[in-house]
Amino acid sequence: QSVLTQPPSASGTPGQRVTFSCSGSSSNIGSNTVNWYQQLPGTAPKLVIYSDEQRPSGVPDRFSGSKSGTSASLAISGLQSEDEADYYCAAWDDSLNGPVFGGGTKLTVL
Amino acid sequence: EVQLVQSGAEVKKPGESLKISCQGSGYRFASYWIAWVRQMPGKGLEWMGIIYPGDSETRYSPSFQGQVAISVDKSISTAYLQWSSLKASDTAIYYCASPFKTGRIDAFDIWGQGTMVTVSS
Repeated sequence: QSVLTQPPSASGTPGQRVTFSCSGSSSNIGSNTVNWYQQLPGTAPKLVIYSDEQRPSGVPDRFSGSKSGTSASLAISGLQSEDEADYYCAAWDDSLNGPVFGGGTKLTVL
Repeated sequence: EVQLVQSGAEVKKPGESLKISCQGSGYRFASYWIAWVRQMPGKGLEWMGIIYPGDSETRYSPSFQGQVAISVDKSISTAYLQWSSLKASDTAIYYCASPFKTGRIDAFDIWGQGTMVTVSS
């Protein structure tokens, strides 16, 4: 059971905009920033959003993040086939004194 | 090029010991935290612990405290994850990761390629 809750799956067609939700609590998302990772099949995770809405260099501006209260969202606009991957949210948890992850959402590009 | 390179896949028997490594290059290794993250087959990511190479300060997830040991040898820019007695449930991919440019201890923008550990009798 992951500390952060994500829907297990999402789908979209090329060019569409998709969003992923991530729900937590006051000890994690409610009091700390959220990071998002993309994991392509058979590869290591890649940071796509940090500090709620910041994009690391090299991440296209099609990726955006937001947060409200104890929930966060990742949006991908102009969906492309290469976006098909698992997406994980993460946040520091004050009770654990370390980062916690969501269970991940598998994105299928139809 | 800034990178973390991990040691190769391991196949072990239950009860055996194991130490896997993660070597940094292209940056000042001692100045950035190194975390270890587990991914069991078909499952999500779990933070195991983190170490600061500069002074070896180490923090563990309660789920992994006492189960593994994290260490570092900053003279060779290498972090380690060690088990004294493996169990079948330790079968997983283990990643090292570092918050290099993010400035946040929990936002990992550099990852190793992963080390697959298989524990089977």
